[in-house]
Amino acid sequence: ETGVTQSPTHLIKTRGQQVTLRCSSQSGHNTVSWYQQALGQGPQFIFQYYREEENGRGNFPPRFSGLQFPNYSSELNVNALELDDSALYLCASSFGTLKQGTQYFGPGTRLTVT
Amino acid sequence: DAKTTQPPSMDCAEGRAANLPCNHSTISGNEYVYWYRQIHSQGPQYIIHGLKNNETNEMASLIITEDRKSSTLILPHATLRDTAVYYCIVRVPNAGNMLTFGGGTRLMVKP
Repeated sequence: ETGVTQSPTHLIKTRGQQVTLRCSSQSGHNTVSWYQQALGQGPQFIFQYYREEENGRGNFPPRFSGLQFPNYSSELNVNALELDDSALYLCASSFGTLKQGTQYFGPGTRLTVT
Repeated sequence: DAKTTQPPSMDCAEGRAANLPCNHSTISGNEYVYWYRQIHSQGPQYIIHGLKNNETNEMASLIITEDRKSSTLILPHATLRDTAVYYCIVRVPNAGNMLTFGGGTRLMVKP
């Protein structure tokens, strides 16, 4: 069974640029959730995708957007990067949107905005 | 959302049981208690979850009080590799299956 993978591991961007982060869900999972974790804080929910549709969104501005593909992999796009976007971005996959569904996390992408 | 309260930090001697408490006094009847841990700079790792009965797996045991207002995660024989931040999360119903992380407990296992 393949776990959740994310790419790239690290990247550095300049303020105002755009970035795309990628996530491959665990085998058999059809739901992907994205989280942002600032240094020293717990992860914060950005949004979730289920069967290629956005299925819930946290308190993040529209410049944070996403996609889910037919193979259930996903992308997180952030436009007009700000310094405060520097964080660890985590992807988690689960099966369905059942309340009991357990989410399994990838290793994360460390984004630094300068 | 049902909020959780955890001590910010705890120490445990290697080989001893680590008992991590969590208060969730406003939990509602259909909410589950989940535990995750996060080792430095890695993604959170799922440990265990439960509704009302005690649960055990290969990693840990989860003890939930009868009134469900608190729970304890037990690592029976802590090792140095168990040093991590442990998050107790109560699942929010009808909210897109998201997890709401609090501050967690930073567990330091010492030799």
